[in-house]
Amino acid sequence: GQQVMQIPQYQHVQEGEDFTTYCNSSTTLSNIQWYKQRPGGHPVFLIQLVKSGEVKKQKRLTFQFGEAKKNSSLHITATQTTDVGTYFCAGRGLTGGGNKLTFGTGTQLKVEL
Amino acid sequence: DAEITQSPRHKITETGRQVTLACHQTWNHNNMFWYRQDLGHGLRLIHYSYGVQDTNKGEVSDGYSVSRSNTEDLPLTLESAASSQTSVYFCASRGTNTEAFFGQGTRLTVV
Repeated sequence: GQQVMQIPQYQHVQEGEDFTTYCNSSTTLSNIQWYKQRPGGHPVFLIQLVKSGEVKKQKRLTFQFGEAKKNSSLHITATQTTDVGTYFCAGRGLTGGGNKLTFGTGTQLKVEL
Repeated sequence: DAEITQSPRHKITETGRQVTLACHQTWNHNNMFWYRQDLGHGLRLIHYSYGVQDTNKGEVSDGYSVSRSNTEDLPLTLESAASSQTSVYFCASRGTNTEAFFGQGTRLTVV
């Protein structure tokens, strides 16, 4: 079945440093979504990418979808303490995926002052 | 406002007991999902449903069952709770090719 891996699993940064998490799928994706989960909370949708090579920005966050639609990345510029949480990518398979999302393993971000 | 709610938020049960976790959404979404979240494993799909009377097994379905008798509800039943099922459970719903909305989660402890 479809597998989605994320690296790194954990990341500690100093406030102001940049952060990147990478997402890799074993199969080609129809689209990819990113979610953020604050400590003790539930995953909340951030963005969806659909097109090959697509890049989208939300303030300090930059999202990329790979040309082959099998990988994606999330980059945060100049992290802040409010960025703390776990970031998940979630992909919908190109074929046979239906409407279900396969979530990546997540990257937990900690930001220290 | 539309929402998705889970109950209970916390549950402690004994090994071997049957447990049912409730999930109710008012988004009118056809697609509903149950995930469990464990350290190092992310969100793993247990069961899902694409509409009334439709249920499907996810990647970690053993020991769990669901039923879908209406659009709003997808209860998750643990037939005979085991310690390995201690986890945080999330219910989610989504429309076709749209974002998923998650409930607040249920923290289940099996002792």
